[in-house]
Amino acid sequence: DAGITQSPRHKVTETGTPVTLRCHQTENHRYMYWYRQDPGHGLRLIHYSYGVKDTDKGEVSDGYSVSRSKTEDFLLTLESATSSQTSVYFCAISVEYLSYEQYFGPGTRLTVT
Amino acid sequence: GESVGLHLPTLSVQEGDNSIINCAYSNSASDYFIWYKQESGKGPQFIIDIRSNMDKRQGQRVTVLLNKTVKHLSLQIAATQPGDSAVYFCAENQVNTGNQFYFGTGTSLTVIP
Repeated sequence: DAGITQSPRHKVTETGTPVTLRCHQTENHRYMYWYRQDPGHGLRLIHYSYGVKDTDKGEVSDGYSVSRSKTEDFLLTLESATSSQTSVYFCAISVEYLSYEQYFGPGTRLTVT
Repeated sequence: GESVGLHLPTLSVQEGDNSIINCAYSNSASDYFIWYKQESGKGPQFIIDIRSNMDKRQGQRVTVLLNKTVKHLSLQIAATQPGDSAVYFCAENQVNTGNQFYFGTGTSLTVIP
């Protein structure tokens, strides 16, 4: 998975609890992305980062926040998890913004009960 | 929003046969397209891309065809192998506009030995 790890790989949490997912890259790429993947939907962009401390919203950003304090780490936080946030979350990296050379991590399966 | 969909959600083919996976898109301004392969439990992997100034592009055992008139693209896999079993989906983008990629929902390809 092109030097991208995600943690945890699986998580079950209760509604209303905060959750943080971590994406770590060893490629030193500038751009990092968080997507969610749900049945009946294609991958949808949540947030992306174009550098340390530089982030912006994607298509489905409501209920999520992100942080990037180091080039290699991009964190996705669900401040108060809801059942609608049950999904598989993928991190991706690229050299250029939205470059076709997006490399995806292995994913995190999150279940909110 | 954008609409990127697939004609068939599942496809079964005999090993050694050719596979054709289809994708329709709705935004006539889209000018860049990618096909991804996603194996079970893994993140998407880039297969092949095509720009709107082309109508055909070939890779190793794969060919992508683009028909801009009917806003349709297809992925052809030659001599399909068991390792090709996966979900395949397309993504569209408007290059140089800063727009995000829009992903299709995918077709599940099963190769019968």
